Amino acid sequence: GAVVSQHPSWVICKSGTSVKIECRSLDFQATTMFWYRQFPKQSLMLMATSNEGSKATYEQGVEKDKFLINHASLTLSTLTVTSAHPEDSSFYICSARRLAGANEQFFGPGTRLTVL
Amino acid sequence: DAKTTQPPSMDCAEGRAANLPCNHSTISGNEYVYWYRQIHSQGPQYIIHGLKNNETNEMASLIITEDRKSSTLILPHATLRDTAVYYCMPISSGSARQLTFGSGTQLTVLP
Repeated sequence: GAVVSQHPSWVICKSGTSVKIECRSLDFQATTMFWYRQFPKQSLMLMATSNEGSKATYEQGVEKDKFLINHASLTLSTLTVTSAHPEDSSFYICSARRLAGANEQFFGPGTRLTVL
Repeated sequence: DAKTTQPPSMDCAEGRAANLPCNHSTISGNEYVYWYRQIHSQGPQYIIHGLKNNETNEMASLIITEDRKSSTLILPHATLRDTAVYYCMPISSGSARQLTFGSGTQLTVLP
């Protein structure tokens, strides 16, 4: 149980285009989902926290107009990288928390974004 | 959340126990110690967590010192598939419960 999927697993796009990444909790309902970014040889950095039905909370330095997060249901959150540029190339990972009050987060397999 | 210190890398022979230390000397009373690992190019995987008692599950054991300022994750019989970056994270029992990943320990299990 507690499986989180991401789609796509990798994507290559041209500079200036937008890319949508989906994060799904397959066998549980996720009240909270998190989006992380990881550059090569670095640790994960939290980008934003999203709660179902409300606006996402972004970490300092993360542009909310560039990284659009939608958490419309208890099993799906999406991250849209708008007007992507090469510096947005990274490994994007989502995680989901199963119940309010539980600490364990279950991570997706990640999405490798390459912007040309 | 408390800061952590972990060795940047460790090697372990396959089949032997891997003992990964973590220093969290500024941990507060309501913070649990969580351990995750990340195999290369994959999402992190939850391993184990504890408050002050030692814990064991099917993956690992967690030993927390009495003063809670440090802990050790033990993989009793390491396999090549245990090669990964291991992160320890004190997490408060408050409502935020965000995970803050430090630099972790790169464990390499050698054949």
